Amino acid sequence: GAVVSQHPSRVICKSGTSVKIECRSLDFQATTMFWYRQFPKQSLMLMATSNEGSKATYEQGVEKDKFLINHASLTLSTLTVTSAHPEDSSFYICSARPGGARNNSPLHFGNGTRLTVT
Amino acid sequence: QKEVEQNSGPLSVPEGAIASLNCTYSDRGSQSFFWYRQYSGKSPELIMSIYSNGDKEDGRFTAQLNKASQYVSLLIRDSQPSDSATYLCAVNIRDLEYGNKLVFGAGTILRVKS
Repeated sequence: GAVVSQHPSRVICKSGTSVKIECRSLDFQATTMFWYRQFPKQSLMLMATSNEGSKATYEQGVEKDKFLINHASLTLSTLTVTSAHPEDSSFYICSARPGGARNNSPLHFGNGTRLTVT
Repeated sequence: QKEVEQNSGPLSVPEGAIASLNCTYSDRGSQSFFWYRQYSGKSPELIMSIYSNGDKEDGRFTAQLNKASQYVSLLIRDSQPSDSATYLCAVNIRDLEYGNKLVFGAGTILRVKS
């Protein structure tokens, strides 16, 4: 159980374009989803917390106008990287846990999206 | 001080040996702790969860938690080459606005040599 699906797995785009990444919880409802980013040889860094029906919460240093998050349903959150630049090239991973943000159960991760901006 | 700290390694152990991975955390109020394994280019997969002081065993893996010392560890018995990966310690840190957020350590690279 607790399967999280992420799409696409890999995307290459040109500088200045926008890219949308989808994250779905397949067998549970997720009022909260978490978006992480991982640069090569570094750990996962939380970018933002996506909240169903309300605004996302962004971590310090993450530009909310550049990384648009929409959590329109209990099973779907999207991250749009707007006007992407080469420095945005990274591994983006979404995650969620059954039962919402306030419980102590582990996060389950999607397979990640490898973004390359040329 | 980082919220979750791990030795980056690499930790090299021979096949069949015990690998010991350590992690410390800063939030005394944390209640849940996790070990994830991450292969290169892949997303993390959950190995162990631990919530109470003491040891928790699952197959070849044992997680150990000492809340007084703010320390959590992972032992891997009979290490196999397929265990070679980065092991991430993750701690639920209290967040006043949204309950908990999972914070990861930098990860320890484990290499098991056959």
